[in-house]
Amino acid sequence: GEDVEQSLFLSVREGDSSVINCTYTDSSSTYLYWYKQEPGAGLQLLTYIFSNMDMKQDQRLTVLLNKKDKHLSLRIADTQTGDSAIYFCAEIKPRDDKIIFGKGTRLHILP
Amino acid sequence: GAVVSQHPSWVICKSGTSVKIECRSLDFQATTMFWYRQFPKQSLMLMATSNEGSKATYEQGVEKDKFLINHASLTLSTLTVTSAHPEDSSFYICSANSRMIGSYNSPLHFGNGTRLTVT
Repeated sequence: GEDVEQSLFLSVREGDSSVINCTYTDSSSTYLYWYKQEPGAGLQLLTYIFSNMDMKQDQRLTVLLNKKDKHLSLRIADTQTGDSAIYFCAEIKPRDDKIIFGKGTRLHILP
Repeated sequence: GAVVSQHPSWVICKSGTSVKIECRSLDFQATTMFWYRQFPKQSLMLMATSNEGSKATYEQGVEKDKFLINHASLTLSTLTVTSAHPEDSSFYICSANSRMIGSYNSPLHFGNGTRLTVT
């Protein structure tokens, strides 16, 4: 089964904040990632957080990590139409360096 | 930042032919490259891990003889889909990093993917 879980779809009005949630299962994961995939394109690294951090902010993006609950979230402030994409949460397995992805959350922006 | 170039971006081939996909790291040396396959509306599935100068490590269920991976240099890995069939049609994505396993200084960077359609 999937080690990383996230909801498949999120719909947000332009200008509002988007919050994409993710849960992972491997407590030994050292890095957790958020990737963005636009239609027909590869994955673009948005941001990542080291496991000893609770929060990381980068312009409109805020990542929150709750290690106790193995919960990761990505908040996009002032959501724009260009933010419409699929967002993948991912964790790294430290033993063999493999990255495990969630199924992706499709973010749809309403006018 | 680190750039990974994947070529071609799309390819259409006839059933029974072979297709080669290239993955290049443009501004760094990639000791490890990963090949993923993405099915429609699903997550990425890791197919294999490719280390420069050694044989690729395939994930369970991935046919080694069908998906040939070569990592001949620190900047190039290739995936060859041999004797392609319509069920091989998919989106293939490579990623690369310059980290040694056990060191987590930089995340993976991905190519733009190759859309393979087998008719």
